[in-house]
Amino acid sequence: AQSVTQLGSHVSVSEGALVLLRCNYSSSVPPYLFWYVQYPNQGLQLLLKYTSAATLVKGINGFEAEFKKSETSFHLTKPSAHMSDAAEYFCAVLLGGGYNKLIFGAGTRLAVHP
Amino acid sequence: DAGVIQSPRHEVTEMGQEVTLRCKPISGHNSLFWYRQTMMRGLELLIYFNNNVPIDDSGMPEDRFSAKMPNASFSTLKIQPSEPRDSAVYFCASSSSGLDQFFGPGTRLTVL
Repeated sequence: AQSVTQLGSHVSVSEGALVLLRCNYSSSVPPYLFWYVQYPNQGLQLLLKYTSAATLVKGINGFEAEFKKSETSFHLTKPSAHMSDAAEYFCAVLLGGGYNKLIFGAGTRLAVHP
Repeated sequence: DAGVIQSPRHEVTEMGQEVTLRCKPISGHNSLFWYRQTMMRGLELLIYFNNNVPIDDSGMPEDRFSAKMPNASFSTLKIQPSEPRDSAVYFCASSSSGLDQFFGPGTRLTVL
């Protein structure tokens, strides 16, 4: 069965520092993987997705993620954090077999300090 | 382009009352999802419609919960009777591709 695990429920970085949010997946078939961002009191917004094309995926707001099959990982990175990046980030995997069902991780709350 | 619209944004009710949450998906999208988000359980899929037909309702917690999609532009999630443990943020999302889901702003439900 497909699942995702996000390592670290809270991550804190300084403004301008590298952002690294970790996600590992479990899937019996080639996965479709997603990163969503949730700003306070808002719904989730798609950052980027991997659908078995290029392994390095670029998303909005300067974020990118690399699919590494050997490590079963899909970590989210941004070279330089901005105060506006403070939010909760969710990794998700699409349940296959014709079901358009996303399985979400528990989320990682990113704090950015001046 | 209007996004997914949910109403009300906030709902406060007393235990035992009926609660109805509403969702208008993005025009042209044929899949609709209802999620619940709590601190304890995170983000859970409650039910998923495709072309107005419920495909997977395995996440609906109890018979007190019901969802309908009478047409392509409207869905409701009803809780009757409501209980304090139903307090959560309920999200509706829609999709046309089956991959990218677009979320509404959510309804924050408080059951006293």
